[in-house]
Amino acid sequence: GAGVSQSPSNKVTEKGKDVELRCDPISGHTALYWYRQSLGQGLEFLIYFQGNSAPDKSGLPSDRFSAERTGGSVSTLTIQRTQQEDSAVYLCASSSTGGGWAGNTIYFGEGSWLTVV
Amino acid sequence: RKEVEQDPGPFNVPEGATVAFNCTYSNSASQSFFWYRQDCRKEPKLLMSVYSSGNEDGRFTAQLNRASQYISLLIRDSKLSDSATYLCVVTTDSNYQLIWGAGTKLIIKP
Repeated sequence: GAGVSQSPSNKVTEKGKDVELRCDPISGHTALYWYRQSLGQGLEFLIYFQGNSAPDKSGLPSDRFSAERTGGSVSTLTIQRTQQEDSAVYLCASSSTGGGWAGNTIYFGEGSWLTVV
Repeated sequence: RKEVEQDPGPFNVPEGATVAFNCTYSNSASQSFFWYRQDCRKEPKLLMSVYSSGNEDGRFTAQLNRASQYISLLIRDSKLSDSATYLCVVTTDSNYQLIWGAGTKLIIKP
């Protein structure tokens, strides 16, 4: 597609349930990032993918969080046994190479708004 | 000390005024710098990259001060539609890590 696509756009789930959030990056982008943002707060880095590998998982807040990327494209973020503090918007972003140079723009999806009740 | 720091604001500015805010970074090896804009309940979008020589895009001017390790964003003739949170991003060369500031909230008042 033309942009980063995320689904679902909104999810309300009961505490203790598992959720899966999907990200479809811009075609051809090898770098993929997951961030979390609570209302009124800054971006919290979760995980970075380069192709199918995840060289940096350091931001995952607990072992309830996991992510995978298959075929160098679509990524899924899974949260097991959700807690109320998991409520946030989960933003996926992609870029062409992941390198930190001026031309390598990061593009964000519209996010998946998760509410745990 | 945070790696990238921004004044959270809010900056309340009358329409038509000029406003500027800074973003300081702690890693002297930082190479690439960006300003992103985030509207309420929306995703961040690139506003402009920040080049060493400074750059201008319409009403927006970005500057880099390596000696003092900060970048700045200046908005001239501010519009109501400029109301948003402005995020700065810093990276090291060839490094995937993006270090994000927490953002500066700007409110333009009629």
